[in-house]
Amino acid sequence: DAGVIQSPRHEVTEMGQEVTLRCKPISGHDYLFWYRQTMMRGLELLIYFNNNVPIDDSGMPEDRFSAKMPNASFSTLKIQPSEPRDSAVYFCASTVADRSPLHFGNGTRLTVT
Amino acid sequence: SQQGEEDPQALSIQEGENATMNCSYKTSINNLQWYRQNSGRGLVHLILIRSNEREKHSGRLRVTLDTSKKSSSLLITASRAADTASYFCATAYSGTYKYIFGTGTRLKVLA
Repeated sequence: DAGVIQSPRHEVTEMGQEVTLRCKPISGHDYLFWYRQTMMRGLELLIYFNNNVPIDDSGMPEDRFSAKMPNASFSTLKIQPSEPRDSAVYFCASTVADRSPLHFGNGTRLTVT
Repeated sequence: SQQGEEDPQALSIQEGENATMNCSYKTSINNLQWYRQNSGRGLVHLILIRSNEREKHSGRLRVTLDTSKKSSSLLITASRAADTASYFCATAYSGTYKYIFGTGTRLKVLA
């Protein structure tokens, strides 16, 4: 079991640039979550998917953020255009449908200058 | 808004002492989960307690759940320096998988 894999581990970009974060969930997990963590706001749920379909995206901050899950083994979180206030650690997590624990990736630390 | 709030926000104890953290939540839940986060890493699941359970043990961890008070506590017994981390509770609104995390307790265990 390779765990949830996120890439890149670190991303530094300039304001206005497009940023794409990637996540590979654990095989067989049918729920996928994107979280953002900052000192000020803690861990925020941005969006979660079930069987590749977005179920709740009420946590997505604004239209600059979008998330897709084209298949069961891959998801992306895109920010376009990026702003300095988007600087945070973004986590992806996955689980199965029987209310098992969430399995987290190691996160992507995003810095927007 | 946060579904779960932990207290204290920070806790510093000596190795060998017990550490207790509390979590309060707002709505009906199916289960409550506790996670640990070491600095710079992802969260790791510690223990899950279902809404019809009142107490659960796992090694040096003991979790209680009081659904009438909408609160839970995590007790770490005989703490070790390696227990230094942040601890979070997580709950999902009944009927959903919308897992919301609390504000966390930063635990520091001094050797």
